[in-house]
Amino acid sequence: AQKVTQAQTEISVVEKEDVTLDCVYETRDTTYYLFWYKQPPSGELVFLIRRNSFDEQNEISGRYSWNFQKSTSSFNFTITASQVVDSAVYFCALSERGGSNYKLTFGKGTLLTVNP
Amino acid sequence: DTGVSQDPRHKITKRGQNVTFRCDPISEHNRLYWYRQTLGQGPEFLTYFQNEAQLEKSRLLSDRFSAERPKGSFSTLEIQRTEQGDSAMYLCASSQSITGGLNSSNQPQHFGDGTRLSIL
Repeated sequence: AQKVTQAQTEISVVEKEDVTLDCVYETRDTTYYLFWYKQPPSGELVFLIRRNSFDEQNEISGRYSWNFQKSTSSFNFTITASQVVDSAVYFCALSERGGSNYKLTFGKGTLLTVNP
Repeated sequence: DTGVSQDPRHKITKRGQNVTFRCDPISEHNRLYWYRQTLGQGPEFLTYFQNEAQLEKSRLLSDRFSAERPKGSFSTLEIQRTEQGDSAMYLCASSQSITGGLNSSNQPQHFGDGTRLSIL
């Protein structure tokens, strides 16, 4: 069965600090996909990134970067120079290819608060 | 660009009543998903449609729950004889399936704003 663990329930930082959100996953499938979503106070889940299990190349998008390591089953998310607008709940999610329905299994989320 | 639309945004009802939610996916998306999210938790999968066919239902979906997607367009989720434990945010998501290639068939799911259900 697939499982996603986000051990950090809440993180609080001061603006301009760098912050890393941890994500550890479990799956028996050899082909799978990892995602990060952001849920601001308004409630809508906003897609941030998708990676497939064959591509361990790290990715950077502006102030966001992602570190995917299959050896440790981790897919961590770093925000550089955090801003107040980054305050939200961040979810890591996994979907397996084998089931063909591609349903998402989410972690419990990490509440990030960026203080001015 | 029209995203996933859900209606209503909020629903308050008494225990034992029936409720129905609607989801309008992104127009070209053939896959539609329902999830449920309770306070402090991540969304949990409920059911999935490919076009009009309901292909999977979670064990979370008791027989009081039914979902439809007539004509493969919008979807409805009905809860009969609501219970207090049904109070949650119900999220709809859609995606487009693409065949061929390693990155095929798992395009990101795009979510609506959700319907928050409160049972009195």
